[in-house]
Amino acid sequence: SQKIEQNSEALNIQEGKTATLTCNYTNYSPAYLQWYRQDPGRGPVFLLLIRENEKEKRKERLKVTFDTTLKQSLFHITASQPADSATYLCALVDSGTYKYIFGTGTRLKVLA
Amino acid sequence: DAGVTQSPTHLIKTRGQQVTLRCSPKSGHDTVSWYQQALGQGPQFIFQYYEEEERQRGNFPDRFSGHQFPNYSSELNVNALLLGDSALYLCASSLASTVVYEQYFGPGTRLTVT
Repeated sequence: SQKIEQNSEALNIQEGKTATLTCNYTNYSPAYLQWYRQDPGRGPVFLLLIRENEKEKRKERLKVTFDTTLKQSLFHITASQPADSATYLCALVDSGTYKYIFGTGTRLKVLA
Repeated sequence: DAGVTQSPTHLIKTRGQQVTLRCSPKSGHDTVSWYQQALGQGPQFIFQYYEEEERQRGNFPDRFSGHQFPNYSSELNVNALLLGDSALYLCASSLASTVVYEQYFGPGTRLTVT
């Protein structure tokens, strides 16, 4: 069956450390993968996109990697701050249907 | 430049009733997608509208229907509401002409079915 999985347990890290979130998928052929941030009661906000032929993308303190062999994307926030506390969602766009499939999200809490 | 707007913000309905949710896309965008997000879950794709037609559909029953108007705004209609329809309904807009497009989400409509 097709699945996209993120660690459902909350991730707590100390301010200044690097947060690493994982997104694994099964039986999909992503055209590309996106990461979003969602605050409670708000809509998701687009952060980064990485295509299937790209290995890594960076934007300020954010970095995304994409390994199509492992079927995994990693999302890193360096020098994390309490303001980075939120739920982070990964979404893949299937190359066959071009539909968006979201993971369940990982809640990140950065401790001061 | 207005972002994606949705109305109403909150809504309480009774089982069996019908509901209509509204969305105005970000200025310049021509494609609207609707998602259902249950508590603690990721958004689930309902359908997408482009040029006033449903272009794609997720695994949702026919009770869920939509419409897109010439000004690109959109409505989501849900008939015969069930308790399980309680969720945050998100609208996202994008520009179809871009090869790889970003979605801009609205704040959502919180629907509670009692």
